[in-house]
Amino acid sequence: EEQLVESGGGWVKPGGSLRLSCAGSGFTFSNAWMSWVRQAPGKGLEWVGRIKSKVDGGTTDYAAPVKGRFTISRDDSKTTVYLQMNSLKTEDTAVYYCCTGWYLDHWGQGTLVTVTS
Amino acid sequence: EIVLTQSPGTLSLSPGERATLSCRASQSVSSSYLAWYQQKPGQAPRLLIYHASSRATGIPDRFSGSGSGTDFTLTISRLEPEDFAVYYCQQYGSSPMYTFGQGTKLEIK
Repeated sequence: EEQLVESGGGWVKPGGSLRLSCAGSGFTFSNAWMSWVRQAPGKGLEWVGRIKSKVDGGTTDYAAPVKGRFTISRDDSKTTVYLQMNSLKTEDTAVYYCCTGWYLDHWGQGTLVTVTS
Repeated sequence: EIVLTQSPGTLSLSPGERATLSCRASQSVSSSYLAWYQQKPGQAPRLLIYHASSRATGIPDRFSGSGSGTDFTLTISRLEPEDFAVYYCQQYGSSPMYTFGQGTKLEIK
């Protein structure tokens, strides 16, 4: 069974940094495109960014609000994808989900990031 | 960027009734690359439909998707109590930007 487990969420001050991890199992991780999607409290879903599989180039794409501040990377040997978040703002407060696939066919349970002074 | 507008914002129906949810795009969605997700309180979203009309694994056949171009519909033929949730549409054709609709809340009347 495909499983995704996020970790690394927590509280951080504006301007700070945080790195989220997402460990995958039950599928061929190296072939998977991995995305991050976030959801602010009481709000809808917002796509954050995506990293393609290495066989598809391993390239990354980001949503405009996070471009230049967030970086997605992957370690296929650890079946883990990362979201490095720098220069955090209060509006980055959200539950962050990692997801697999071109369309988002599997989701982790999410990890909460709170940016507040 | 393609903007997706879902309607209605809230839909109040009773179990056994038919639900029709709409998703309209600001420009044509490439090759019907549109998905629908269901989210229940405190849970992660779940993929229901991809490529506008293909059901994801394990999704009951009371869920169906249709549409092309700029107008898409999610239909639930006979509502079960567990279907009351928030539903989101998402386009994944305008790479690299994926966008979601704002959601439709399906509530029990």
